[in-house]
Amino acid sequence: QSALTQPASVSGSPGQSITISCTGTSSDVGGYNYVSWYQQHPGKAPKLMIYEVSNRPSGVPDRFSGSKSGNTASLTISGLQAEDEADYYCSSYTSSSTVVFGGGTKLTVL
Amino acid sequence: QVQLQESGPGLVKPSQTLSLTCTVSGGSISSGGYYWSWIRQHPGKGLEWIGYIYYSGSTYYNPSLKSRVTISVDTSKNQFSLKLSSVTAADTAVYYCARESSTGAYFDYWGQGTLVTVSS
Repeated sequence: QSALTQPASVSGSPGQSITISCTGTSSDVGGYNYVSWYQQHPGKAPKLMIYEVSNRPSGVPDRFSGSKSGNTASLTISGLQAEDEADYYCSSYTSSSTVVFGGGTKLTVL
Repeated sequence: QVQLQESGPGLVKPSQTLSLTCTVSGGSISSGGYYWSWIRQHPGKGLEWIGYIYYSGSTYYNPSLKSRVTISVDTSKNQFSLKLSSVTAADTAVYYCARESSTGAYFDYWGQGTLVTVSS
């Protein structure tokens, strides 16, 4: 199974919006509404931010939103804040009944 | 609040077996509805799903690791464990245990992670 494709890095200024893409295939992202997104600060465990494409767990700010079109899922963060600076990973269920992650995207808040 | 905590040796010699245990508190592994998973992260790299176990003992593994991985569960201790055999330096990573939704394939609770280094 190949990792999902994410941009290595994105950046934005405080208050702006950014979008991180996550591209897979019809055997994973495109085939199921089981895409999730995780935020990871240095030295910390990943934290669930979005599940099942667009659902936010309790406690996650509504500045974080998810969507999907075809084989590409997206995470949008609006009203960027300094504490949003972190690595972000997407994941998807696959037709092999496994889970595959993206390579990760480093978000820099300028 | 569910909490997970990994434990085990931080240093393993090449060709030996890596063994880690995850202790779950604040919830019962036997309650169902969730898979109990292992995920690893190579230094400075992305996440890799290793596999999961259900409280009944059914397992599913990443095909790339399947020949070397065994995940087991001890419901009496509310723990599940990972064994990875014939390790090499390429298995050096931070190993996380996590709770995975059985309906949505997402990981909602994670352990803090434990670094395992493979070196002689």
